[in-house]
Amino acid sequence: AQSVTQLDSHVSVSEGTPVLLRCNYSSSYSPSLFWYVQHPNKGLQLLLKYTSAATLVKGINGFEAEFKKSETSFHLTKPSAHMSDAAEYFCVVTGGSYIPTFGRGTSLIVHP
Amino acid sequence: GAVVSQHPSRVICKSGTSVKIECRSLDFQATTMFWYRQFPKQSLMLMATSNEGSKATYEQGVEKDKFLINHASLTLSTLTVTSAHPEDSSFYICSARDHGQGADSPLHFGNGTRLTVT
Repeated sequence: AQSVTQLDSHVSVSEGTPVLLRCNYSSSYSPSLFWYVQHPNKGLQLLLKYTSAATLVKGINGFEAEFKKSETSFHLTKPSAHMSDAAEYFCVVTGGSYIPTFGRGTSLIVHP
Repeated sequence: GAVVSQHPSRVICKSGTSVKIECRSLDFQATTMFWYRQFPKQSLMLMATSNEGSKATYEQGVEKDKFLINHASLTLSTLTVTSAHPEDSSFYICSARDHGQGADSPLHFGNGTRLTVT
């Protein structure tokens, strides 16, 4: 069995300040973890992935995430938010079944 | 990178008619595609897993006779909403995994189809 918990439904930041989107997972198998971004009325775009290589994963658009097995976490961060980062973000886990499980999503709001 | 093309992006149909949505992997082969439904401000709900050359696997509560899935080739899966009703109005998204990249490789998503049934 596997599950994903995105701890915040909304995160609000000012432009130029750091972003932290939290994700905790559970999996009976060694998990593969992903972060996706969705802009309004669009499909999902892959930001980054963890598949048992380096625990600190760098993605596109300046995002990165760190896999912490002891905390079962895979939080997404970015040092400085841009207005264009405003979107919905989904944390996804794939375990033994290889059918991905989605978190509920976190809406990132960026204020000027 | 891998591209998934989903058409149409928007469709409006009358109650009782059927609508077909296509999902194509443009530069890779996909033995498995997933169909999702997304309600406003909510996460993606997996409807079914589409397997090339065999019957789709539907999630509990999804009517297989209403949401017909056909995966006739390694690059094309279709979802047909039969006898559509207003409650079927939603955002439908397909995704595909590159057959050559392994079962834990990331999914590639289409841009979604906004279905409105009047």
